[in-house]
Amino acid sequence: QVQLQESGPGLVKPSQTLSLTCTVSGDSISSRTYYWGWIRQPAGKGLEWIGRIYPSGSTDYNPSLKSRVTISLDTSKNQYSLNLRSVNAADTAVYYCAANLRYWGQGTLVTVSS
Amino acid sequence: EIVLTQSPGTLSLSPGERATLSCRASQSVSSSYLAWYQQKPGQVPRLLIYDASSRATGIPDRFSGSGSGIDFTLTISRLEPEDFAVYYCHQYGSLPRTFGQGTKVEIK
Repeated sequence: QVQLQESGPGLVKPSQTLSLTCTVSGDSISSRTYYWGWIRQPAGKGLEWIGRIYPSGSTDYNPSLKSRVTISLDTSKNQYSLNLRSVNAADTAVYYCAANLRYWGQGTLVTVSS
Repeated sequence: EIVLTQSPGTLSLSPGERATLSCRASQSVSSSYLAWYQQKPGQVPRLLIYDASSRATGIPDRFSGSGSGIDFTLTISRLEPEDFAVYYCHQYGSLPRTFGQGTKVEIK
């Protein structure tokens, strides 16, 4: 079974870029079995789909974030990444990576604050 | 974008009772690509149901999903103490993927 683990800074300053990495184990990130996604959840609120990337490198993003988001693959490390630019307090949330929205990482809290 | 509206917002029930949760979509969900997740405080969402009515691996048969088009239902036949949680519906039939706002099932 595939396993995922998020990593990255827990604190980001306003206007800077939030960068997170998801390390995949149990299968290759190049496997056509999966697509690789990011979801976030502000404290006490619901889930928001950020976007996903296929093994081919093709991406889909939530239109509400599209202008600020990039998801990319690093096949040499079996990882994929999320970059969210120009963050503000509204981007404070637990960020999850997930495979096919079936297998989820444990989530990582990112706080945007000066 | 498909907006998913869940009702009720909170469901207060006792263990052993039946829970019926609703998820209504603003437009038809393609191929019944509708999933349900359970989330307990401080935990990761857990996939319960996919394709509207298929149980995910390891999910007890007291959980069942039904519906098509714009109306979907998650039923918990007899609530166990561990079932008190927040439940989200999620559509993956069109982009962007969207989630409902959640239904909290609490102990009465």
